[in-house]
Amino acid sequence: QKEVEQNSGPLSVPEGAIASLNCTYSDRGSQSFFWYRQYSGKSPELIMFIYSNGDKEDGRFTAQLNKASQYVSLLIRDSQPSDSATYLCASAPDSNYQLIWGAGTKLIIKP
Amino acid sequence: DAGVTQSPTHLIKTRGQQVTLRCSPKSGHDTVSWYQQALGQGPQFIFQYYEEEERQRGNFPDRFSGHQFPNYSSELNVNALLLGDSALYLCASSLGRSSGNTIYFGEGSWLTVV
Repeated sequence: QKEVEQNSGPLSVPEGAIASLNCTYSDRGSQSFFWYRQYSGKSPELIMFIYSNGDKEDGRFTAQLNKASQYVSLLIRDSQPSDSATYLCASAPDSNYQLIWGAGTKLIIKP
Repeated sequence: DAGVTQSPTHLIKTRGQQVTLRCSPKSGHDTVSWYQQALGQGPQFIFQYYEEEERQRGNFPDRFSGHQFPNYSSELNVNALLLGDSALYLCASSLGRSSGNTIYFGEGSWLTVV
């Protein structure tokens, strides 16, 4: 059973601090990984995707991938109240067409 | 550039009824995937359509069926609705067969079964 695990939270972070969201996956064949943000009542919105080991930065967001540890993370610097949402991690197995999703981590940024 | 559009946005059905949800992919995309997202859960893959054929199917019963049209738009049909079918149904479009391509979601269709 291919799985993606996330801590459901909520994760509470003060405004301006760094929020760190984590995700582990079970399928070593997974090649790419995605972070989506989902506001309540809305559809998921792609934040970042990462294919290679290491860090990938885009503005305030940094995705980190460690394939040896089967671990993906998302760092949000200078957290803003508007970052409060549920963050979904998804993996894309190489031999498959579907995305495998975690249940999401609820992030709360406190002013 | 139109994104992924879904209709209807909200609907209420009675147990046993049938429902059809519609999706138009993002311009230039040829692959449509459908997901079911129950409250508090991540999306669950229902199936994917490419070149008007069901490319892959997730762990959903035959009550869930779909179709893709020549213009790449797609429909999701659910027969004999159960209370447990209440969820947000998401359509995602992408270019090409691989799930490794970036996919874009529509705003979803909220289905409530009573």
